Order: sequence, then C-alpha cells, then structure tokens
Amino acid sequence: EIVMTQSPGVLSMSPGERATLSCRASQSLNSKLAWYQQKPGQAPRLLIYGASTRATGIPARFSGSGSGTEFTLTISSLQSEDFAVYYCQQYNKWPPGTFGQGTKVEI
Amino acid sequence: QVQLQQSGPGLVKPSQTLSLTCALSGDSVSSTSATWNWIRQSPSRGLEWLGRTFYRSKWYYDYAEFVKSRITINPDTSKNQFSLQLNSVIPEDAAVYYCARGSMGAGFGAFDIWGQGTWVTVSS
Repeated sequence: EIVMTQSPGVLSMSPGERATLSCRASQSLNSKLAWYQQKPGQAPRLLIYGASTRATGIPARFSGSGSGTEFTLTISSLQSEDFAVYYCQQYNKWPPGTFGQGTKVEI
Repeated sequence: QVQLQQSGPGLVKPSQTLSLTCALSGDSVSSTSATWNWIRQSPSRGLEWLGRTFYRSKWYYDYAEFVKSRITINPDTSKNQFSLQLNSVIPEDAAVYYCARGSMGAGFGAFDIWGQGTWVTVSS
C-alpha cells in the first residue's frame, strides 16, 4: 500500500498570505494525485486531480504541482474561507486510494 | 446538479451489521462514467476508502483488503441508490461514513461528489 505523508501538520497563516502544503508518496504516482479541502462538519471537497487540474468551480488561487513522489498545493492568497484541513490522496495504485493525514491551515 | 443523500442508523451494536444507503439524484448508479464508493473517516485512522461498485456492461465490485471479509456494496437500480453493509462491527468501526462518486475526469480515482456523511457509533 502506498503511504502518503503530508507536511506540515499545522500551518499558521494570515489572510492574503501564500500557503504551500506538501505531500510525499512512498512510491511514484504518475501524477495520479488529488487534493481535497475539508471544513468542520462537512465532507471533503475535491480541489485538484491529476496533480495539477482544478476541479469544476475551484478558484484559480488554488494550484497543484509536482510529479513522481513529491507534490505541492499552493493557495496564492488566503481568503477567510480557505482556513480548513487539506488532504492529498493517491490513486495510482488502486484500489485502495490512500489519503494523507491532513494539513490544517489555521489563522 | 448531482447530489448524494445518505440514510441509515447512527448507532450499531458490536457484532451486528452496519447498513447505510446512498441515494443519487442527477446521475445514475448504472452510469458507465462513474464509480460509486464508500469512504470512512475517524480521528484515529483518518480517511479510509472501503470499497466501490460500478457498471461496465456488468457490475463490478472492489473492496479494501482490511474489510474485504466483512463488507458488501450493492447497487439498486430500481431506486437509483447503492448501499453499504459492514458485518460484525467492532468499536474501531466507529467513524463518519461517506458515499462518494468517482470522477471520470480523474480516471475514477478521485472523488468529486460526496454525501453529507453519517456518524456511526458502535456501542451496546
């Protein structure tokens, strides 16, 4: 099973700042990597798939990059509604699609 | 737009069967452009994919190894829904359970539509 490791665990930021979240896989993913945002009491929301493709309706301030085993989610200018937990998920070796443990972006 | 509506009990006794249903609107469980998944989330284990079903001229089923002996996912085309049954539950099965659609655009591996979640407690 592919293990996904996210860093940092918590990211303390201010509105308007640029946030950079990392995700590392234990094996190469061939860009089959997704990012999700989750707010308290809500289901995860798909932000990015294929490592860099924004899902429908996702603002351009969210961008994904990386390949192989190292991936990054960047939020170019944090808005108040962006403070949440972010998860990466691999789907190269499937099933199962394994998730990272999450990065909390807090004020 | 596509919506998934979950239903089912939030309390299950140890050793009994957890049963949840996910009703679709705006899409078909028989669609050849989607997969239909169950995922759970707990503080101790994080997000875990449990299994899926999908239709490609016939029905297919995939299950995670760690629950393979206890899980059944069934489509119900007459009601346009799919269900989860998890047998012989233990306290560690307590979690929020989600149904989710696998996205065709992401090779069916990413989940673009989610149900609202059902918090399931395992207790006598």
